[in-house]
Amino acid sequence: DVKVTQSSRYLVKRTGEKVFLECVQDMDHENMFWYRQDPGLGLRLIYFSYDVKMKEKGDIPEGYSVSREKKERFSLILESASTNQTSMYLCASRRLPNQPQHFGDGTRLSIL
Amino acid sequence: GDSVTQMEGPVTLSEEAFLTINCTYTATGYPSLFWYVQYPGEGLQLLLKATKADDKGSNKGFEATYRKETTSFHLEKGSVQVSDSAVYFCALSVVSGNEKLTFGTGTRLTIIP
Repeated sequence: DVKVTQSSRYLVKRTGEKVFLECVQDMDHENMFWYRQDPGLGLRLIYFSYDVKMKEKGDIPEGYSVSREKKERFSLILESASTNQTSMYLCASRRLPNQPQHFGDGTRLSIL
Repeated sequence: GDSVTQMEGPVTLSEEAFLTINCTYTATGYPSLFWYVQYPGEGLQLLLKATKADDKGSNKGFEATYRKETTSFHLEKGSVQVSDSAVYFCALSVVSGNEKLTFGTGTRLTIIP
């Protein structure tokens, strides 16, 4: 089975801090994704990556950046955290564009 | 742009009741359609999918048929169980080279024994 592991289930940070969310997949998948999930809004795509060192903006990239130095790891960075970035963050991966995405269990991030 | 509209929740049913969760979509091309399920405290799991008109996806007793004429992909189950309590997301992707997923807002389902 595909395993997508997010480094933290719960995280509390302060406004203005630089925050790193880590995601690792163990199935050599090419594509990786970061979403945020908010009540009434569903999942919204922040960034995605088709290969190492490649990244593309999703629908809501403002305030975020990403890093993919190795194929198995995709990091989401909040450069200067703000309270409106309090949310559930979900990482996903897939082998190819026509295959389903596999999700991690999520990181619930609170910015105080 | 592409969008997915699904029925608002929460939905509460008794065990063994019939379930329908409505989903309609708008898409610029020919989408593939998906239902994902999120159990409490977990990430999303693919429940079923359909890639062309009139296809029926099925899994774990759930079914959904890709209806191009009504742009719909309604989720159904004949007899729900307590273990089906979860949040259900309808989603689409359009063949465009990158095939991003566009999600609906989710429907929370609670089954009462």
